[in-house]
Amino acid sequence: NAGVTQTPKFRVLKTGQSMTLLCAQDMNHEYMYWYRQDPGMGLRLIHYSVGEGTTAKGEVPDGYNVSRLKKQNFLLGLESAAPSQTSVYFCASSRQQETQYFGPGTRLLVL
Amino acid sequence: EDKVVQSPLSLVVHEGDTVTLNCSYEVTNFRSLLWYKQEKKAPTFLFMLTSSGIEKKSGRLSSILDKKELSSILNITATQTGDSAIYLCAVASTSGTYKYIFGTGTRLKVLA
Repeated sequence: NAGVTQTPKFRVLKTGQSMTLLCAQDMNHEYMYWYRQDPGMGLRLIHYSVGEGTTAKGEVPDGYNVSRLKKQNFLLGLESAAPSQTSVYFCASSRQQETQYFGPGTRLLVL
Repeated sequence: EDKVVQSPLSLVVHEGDTVTLNCSYEVTNFRSLLWYKQEKKAPTFLFMLTSSGIEKKSGRLSSILDKKELSSILNITATQTGDSAIYLCAVASTSGTYKYIFGTGTRLKVLA
């Protein structure tokens, strides 16, 4: 039982490049979330999903896209990376209206 | 706009001290308040509070919710260096679709 895993752990991109962050959970949770964490800003919700095939925008969705093709996976895409997207990205999952379980994070640096 | 405010932003204490961390919120359709501890990586769950006035305890940590004051406190007694971390408060809302609003956290450093 691995819980929530994220791939990759660290990545450096050049401005304009694209990439996909993968989140996987093995707890059969319905809800999955993508957050970014910046110094002094706390955790901010980017996108979330309440079930397979459904996604919704969070607080800071611009510049990101997501997909939830399988219940256990939630992908976060950056189509054209910008330096403002330098951050630590956390994925989380939960059963409906219960506590969230977080992945270990992905550190992204955009030059 | 929904918001969660934590205080203090940072705190330095010595081992054995007792600390109280605060979380206040303005959130429509409040459902629950959660506390997390974040060391080097992922936040880990501490408490979920839904009812006012009922204290939850886990070892040296305890927390209570005051819905009238729209706030919660997290107490840590007999602090240890291993308590050094960022403590995050989050409020779960059922506005529209279920979501969580996080505070910016309190950074606690415990000196030996």
